[in-house]
Amino acid sequence: DQQVKQNSPSLSVQEGRISILNCDYTNSMFDYFLWYKKYPAEGPTFLISISSIKDKNEDGRFTVFLNKSAKHLSLHIVPSQPGDSAVYFCAGWDYTDKLIFGTGTRLQVFP
Amino acid sequence: DTEVTQTPKHLVMGMTNKKSLKCEQHMGHRAMYWYKQKAKKPPELMFVYSYEKLSINESVPSRFSPECPNSSLLNLHLHALQPEDSALYLCASSQEGSPGHLYGYTFGSGTRLTVV
Repeated sequence: DQQVKQNSPSLSVQEGRISILNCDYTNSMFDYFLWYKKYPAEGPTFLISISSIKDKNEDGRFTVFLNKSAKHLSLHIVPSQPGDSAVYFCAGWDYTDKLIFGTGTRLQVFP
Repeated sequence: DTEVTQTPKHLVMGMTNKKSLKCEQHMGHRAMYWYKQKAKKPPELMFVYSYEKLSINESVPSRFSPECPNSSLLNLHLHALQPEDSALYLCASSQEGSPGHLYGYTFGSGTRLTVV
């Protein structure tokens, strides 16, 4: 049972435009959601998080939106840069204190 | 120091070999983790240590044996692995409780393991 789903395996965006990465979840008990960025042959890097009691969190070019009624969150990157090209994982903390990862979305930002 | 250091970065081992992966952090985190990641898949939890005690074992085969000698070190001992165990092995650490939930894990760069 995949508790965190990223239905788009890949996304291609032009430099300077907005990148929107989506994530759906089924577990209502998640208390925090996080986004990680991963380059090949490296460990994931924490990007931004949001508490389940909020609907938006912003950090520079990155904004995460949470829609609890739809059990959906999204990561917006504005403006997108070539260095943002990576795999992005969303994740949620479950009631057993484990971080559950989505399947990832590969973002490619082209000039 | 805000890093998790993993050694070695690459490891090739035969199915009869015994080897160990090492992980070190000096951030004062009291929770440490081993994850396994296959290509095009999300990281998959293997073990969780909390205050140097094994708290979660995700039904990992006994050919993988974790060890936490102290609050800064985490080892993963490997013995009689199979080719399908080839993967990127990631170590991570986090703060306990809500701060850990807010900031998540700090991951190491991983050990790329190939079993031949």
